[in-house]
Amino acid sequence: GNSVTQMEGPVTLSEEAFLTINCTYTATGYPSLFWYVQYPGEGLQLLLKATKADDKGSNKGFEATYRKETTSFHLEKGSVQVSDSAVYFCALPAPGSASKIIFGSGTRLSIRP
Amino acid sequence: DAGVIQSPRHEVTEMGQEVTLRCKPISGHNSLFWYRQTMMRGLELLIYFNNNVPIDDSGMPEDRFSAKMPNASFSTLKIQPSEPRDSAVYFCASSFSSGRADEQFFGPGTRLTVL
Repeated sequence: GNSVTQMEGPVTLSEEAFLTINCTYTATGYPSLFWYVQYPGEGLQLLLKATKADDKGSNKGFEATYRKETTSFHLEKGSVQVSDSAVYFCALPAPGSASKIIFGSGTRLSIRP
Repeated sequence: DAGVIQSPRHEVTEMGQEVTLRCKPISGHNSLFWYRQTMMRGLELLIYFNNNVPIDDSGMPEDRFSAKMPNASFSTLKIQPSEPRDSAVYFCASSFSSGRADEQFFGPGTRLTVL
């Protein structure tokens, strides 16, 4: 079945550092891929998505490119801010379901001022 | 749009008591999900509904947990009797599905503490 594997955290960076959070997937076909973010005390929210191979999703300075050759969807940001401190989840649809999404285990990111 | 509404936001109860969590999905959405999040187990899908019908309840931990969706604008998750290991944050999420899984919108969560 479909699954995602993302790098374990926590990840701690200084403000303005470059960020990469790795995510690889296993899937039948080429499903949409998602990154969700969970800020402290809140529910998850969609950060960005890509619906087909080679697509790049972007939002709030974050980017991720759907790479079918490496089955990856790594999240990147060129210069992180303290406000980016959160937990990030890679996700994809469950096979055979019209609505269910499978989430990765989450990567906690902390940014030092 | 008010987003997904959950109540209560915090619940503290004693072991053995019945707990009812409530959710109002976004108007027009046809799928509703209940998740549980803990430090130890991470984010777990408990059950989800499509068009008010339960589709997959394989994540419900045991018979003490039950969920209903009597109409398109309301769902409940009930725990009876509650136990300390049920302490967690419970999230409700909704989405509009037209055949492909797409963005889920999460509520703010209910933090449940069972003493």
